[in-house]
Amino acid sequence: DAKTTQPPSMDCAEGRAANLPCNHSTISGNEYVYWYRQIHSQGPQYIIHGLKNNETNEMASLIITEDRKSSTLILPHATLRDTAVYYCIVSSHTGTASKLTFGTGTRLQVTL
Amino acid sequence: DVKVTQSSRYLVKRTGEKVFLECVQDMDHENMFWYRQDPGLGLRLIYFSYDVKMKEKGDIPEGYSVSREKKERFSLILESTSTNQTSMYLCASSSSGFSYNEQFFGPGTRLTVL
Repeated sequence: DAKTTQPPSMDCAEGRAANLPCNHSTISGNEYVYWYRQIHSQGPQYIIHGLKNNETNEMASLIITEDRKSSTLILPHATLRDTAVYYCIVSSHTGTASKLTFGTGTRLQVTL
Repeated sequence: DVKVTQSSRYLVKRTGEKVFLECVQDMDHENMFWYRQDPGLGLRLIYFSYDVKMKEKGDIPEGYSVSREKKERFSLILESTSTNQTSMYLCASSSSGFSYNEQFFGPGTRLTVL
């Protein structure tokens, strides 16, 4: 499985965009990039995923570099409720079940 | 909405006791997973199952076993608990498919072994 590297923590002012980087330099051609977040005392929650192209949904945008060695998760207007640990994961596939290997993530603190 | 429920939020056991952690999902998902989460180590996969009666070892299966007799239910069994199994245990489920695999997580069970 390709490994990911994320900064351990980041701060963001409420209302501003939060840009969370992730390096995955050993990603292989058929591996997807997934982002999850975990709010304190809850299970992780899926945010977004992508293969090559940039993706956007109601929660966030995902920007993947052309060489696919890094990506950025963008929360366009961060709120206090976005304070969480964010995990960048590269998927591996075995049989019919995709395994997700979670690292230690980035702790995002959104402040007033 | 997908719902993944776990049998207990908090559990306290003594060393050597047997523990069953049960997970139920209501979305007819083929895949189910058990993770443990420890400070500084992130989430680590213990076992997963992609079909009834099928199971595969994850990254840290030692000291654990699993059972999947029905599609909606996936149990994690600790035959003889030890203090190093004190952890948060998280269950997840997902539908099958190669290119897209969103996992839905339960709220977790915090197990303390004394």
